[in-house]
Formats: sequence, C-alpha cells, structure tokens
Amino acid sequence: TQLLEQSPQFLSIQEGENLTVYCNSSSVFSSLQWYRQEPGEGPVLLVTVVTGGEVKKLKRLTFQFGDARKDSSLHITAAQPGDTGLYLCAGARAGGTSYGKLTFGQGTILTVHP
Amino acid sequence: DSGVTQTPKHLITATGQRVTLRCSPRSGDLSVYWYQQSLDQGLQFLIHYYNGEERAKGNILERFSAQQFPDLHSELNLSSLELGDSALYFCASSVALGLGAYEQYFGPGTRLTVT
Repeated sequence: TQLLEQSPQFLSIQEGENLTVYCNSSSVFSSLQWYRQEPGEGPVLLVTVVTGGEVKKLKRLTFQFGDARKDSSLHITAAQPGDTGLYLCAGARAGGTSYGKLTFGQGTILTVHP
Repeated sequence: DSGVTQTPKHLITATGQRVTLRCSPRSGDLSVYWYQQSLDQGLQFLIHYYNGEERAKGNILERFSAQQFPDLHSELNLSSLELGDSALYFCASSVALGLGAYEQYFGPGTRLTVT
C-alpha cells in the first residue's frame, strides 16, 4: 500500500506551459517535503511545508500543503527545459516513533520541451 | 551541496561479492538514513540510525547490514550480491523542525553495478 499517491507519474509539456503535480494521502503528516532529482544524482530538497494551508513560493514554483495536512501540490508556472527532472514528495508521519523517517511518493517525471 | 558525503561514487563488482558503502551526515546531524533506488522500485527506505543506534528498519534484506560509528559516519554492507542489487544507494541526514516535523538532506549517492 502506497501511503503517498503522487500524480501524474509522467508529464511531458512544452516550454511556457503551466503544470501541477499532486501528492495525496489518507494519513496526516507533520511535514511534507518536495524534492527534485536529476538522473544519477541525489534528491535535492526544494521546500518543506509544515502548517496546514501553508503556501510557499520558490521563483516559478508554488507549493501548497492541504488544510488537513494530508495532501500537497506543486505548481510550476511557465515551465522551462531546466525544470526537467524527477519530482518527489515525501512526508514525515505525525505521531508514533517515526524518528523522522519519510514516506516517499512514486515520483513525477517531468519533461519540458523547448 | 547538501553537506552529506558518500563514497564511492561508483562501484562495479561481481555476483557473490561483498561491498561497503560509506556515508557521513551533515555536520551536527545525528541521524543517517539509507535508501535504495532502482528504476522499477523508486526510492525505498532501508534503515535509520540515530547517534549510533538503529531506530527503524524498512525493506532491508538480511544480506544487507549497516552501522553508525561514534564519529556518526555510517556504513552499509551488502553481501552475497545479486544482479538485482544493482541500484543507486543514497544516504540522508535529517534535521528536526519541531512538533514532529523533519526534513532530510540527501548525499550524491553510490551507483552499484553487479555483473
């Protein structure tokens, strides 16, 4: 059972288009991170959201944490070829003894064509 | 640069062999997490150490083991290697943000190829 459902799995768009990636769960998370990974390299942390309803912006990227802290979205405005990569969401479960263990979504492979 | 270091960058070995992957967490971080990433399985959590003690186990095979040393660096030992063990292996260290919130920083990974 995948605790974090990420969609879409693949996204192929033209430069200048907008896109949204979704991360959904039935579980509540204390925090949720978005990472970007390029082939053969480690995931790079883009943002961490902690508060329900929180919205964070990073240049053309907008991240939102759901009010109930069960879901999140990543919106990219005017995508550029440099945005191409694997985007991963990951959440730290609330409560218990997770000790910071993250649950990862399956990832979204984004390709932006010039 | 995340501050997490991993060596070696690449490792090529034969089936049945044993290898050791090394990781140093960011300065001040006490936790080390190990992950395996293959094309068809995504990022899979293997094991978590905190200040030298094992805290959580994920999908780690019995042929795999890990430890964290007093200086906080960690080693992941993979033995009796099989072709299916070929993958990227990442370690990460984490920082607590309070109220149960954490974020992890990943190293550059070790690409293991078993031939």
